[in-house]
Amino acid sequence: GAVVSQHPSRVICKSGTSVKIECRSLDFQATTMFWYRQFPKQSLMLMATSNEGSKATYEQGVEKDKFLINHASLTLSTLTVTSAHPEDSSFYICSAGGSWNTEAFFGQGTRLTVV
Amino acid sequence: RKEVEQDPGPFNVPEGATVAFNCTYSNSASQSFFWYRQDCRKEPKLLMSVYSSGNEDGRFTAQLNRASQYISLLIRDSKLSDSATYLCVVRPAGKLIFGQGTTLQVKP
Repeated sequence: GAVVSQHPSRVICKSGTSVKIECRSLDFQATTMFWYRQFPKQSLMLMATSNEGSKATYEQGVEKDKFLINHASLTLSTLTVTSAHPEDSSFYICSAGGSWNTEAFFGQGTRLTVV
Repeated sequence: RKEVEQDPGPFNVPEGATVAFNCTYSNSASQSFFWYRQDCRKEPKLLMSVYSSGNEDGRFTAQLNRASQYISLLIRDSKLSDSATYLCVVRPAGKLIFGQGTTLQVKP
């Protein structure tokens, strides 16, 4: 069964609104979670590293004020896309778990469409 | 230069063919390497880890050349169900860095 659960799997929102995506680790605690974005026919691009109890670390070019990350507990990280625009439409996916030499586990992904 | 580079393909092969994918990475400090498979509109799923000595899992063989910073995946006796995008993944210090992915289409 899934060890990382992501919700919602699909969301359509109006331009200018905010959307929150949840990522939960099941059966294990995750002090670190990762958020990725994938545009059509492109690879997964790391957006940020979510750290439990502290600020997220954002990759170069990712606006931290637009993509708010909160990791308030050891099993939950949230990504909020604020003031969404059509260009934010993408596949957002989180991962957690694993160590330096083992696999990470992925959530099911969230397909965001901004209209 | 991208941190992980792959030929995006697509590779179109007949059933039963052998196909090889290559990947290069730029961070010499990378410690672990993986091949993931991603089906359309789904999350990536681990296909296999890649070890320095090379490793095999059924029809799949992975190789790592640290000196050349090069990783390969060989698929033998291709099945229709192998059609997917194969992602080369490198893990320097915790986070996963993905290649663009190589698309494989196996045809009857």
